[in-house]
Amino acid sequence: GAGVSQSPRYKVAKRGQDVALRCDPISGHVSLFWYQQALGQGPEFLTYFQNEAQLDKSGLPSDRFFAERPEGSVSTLKIQRTQQEDSAVYLCASSLGLGSYEQYFGPGTRLTVT
Amino acid sequence: DQQVKQNSPSLSVQEGRISILNCDYTNSMFDYFLWYKKYPAEGPTFLISISSIKDKNEDGRFTVFLNKSAKHLSLHIVPSQPGDSAVYFCAASGDSGGGADGLTFGKGTHLIIQP
Repeated sequence: GAGVSQSPRYKVAKRGQDVALRCDPISGHVSLFWYQQALGQGPEFLTYFQNEAQLDKSGLPSDRFFAERPEGSVSTLKIQRTQQEDSAVYLCASSLGLGSYEQYFGPGTRLTVT
Repeated sequence: DQQVKQNSPSLSVQEGRISILNCDYTNSMFDYFLWYKKYPAEGPTFLISISSIKDKNEDGRFTVFLNKSAKHLSLHIVPSQPGDSAVYFCAASGDSGGGADGLTFGKGTHLIIQP
């Protein structure tokens, strides 16, 4: 079956612009996660959804970051008033749900803020 | 403070030999550990995992060993093949339990398989 897909794959934004990054999880996966990966680092957790409920947003770096999953499937990560330090790869992962630890990742969106 | 540490940024191994990648963690609440493999411009791909109640898990050429008392795990790949050249990430889960939390990753080890 299809894996996790993300769009766009690459995004260039001018500082101060708003961006929206989309994630389509594996069909039937209850849990969805967003991560931020800076160059030379491992992915860092941003936020977690179980169905449409955002159960953990402790990793979001500022109130400029906002995520939603209104129908429990597709998710959007929005970054308002982008800053240069937001430049990173944003990864989305999904998993079957509670009791399932394995997360399956999409290819990521590389965001460059100029 | 890094809770998952991969102290070797890179490792070079001859084709056909054993590759051993190491990982240390500090949080005793972690109860599940995973290894991911990543090629450039792709997302991490799940490789193998181990629960904290086990000390070994094997899947084909890949074996993960867990030493809870030392808070250390390792991934063994034998025999190593050219397609194994990639960045390997160690990850841990368990602050909330049951897979209901984000994974904590190390910085990765770049494995290079020499022909």
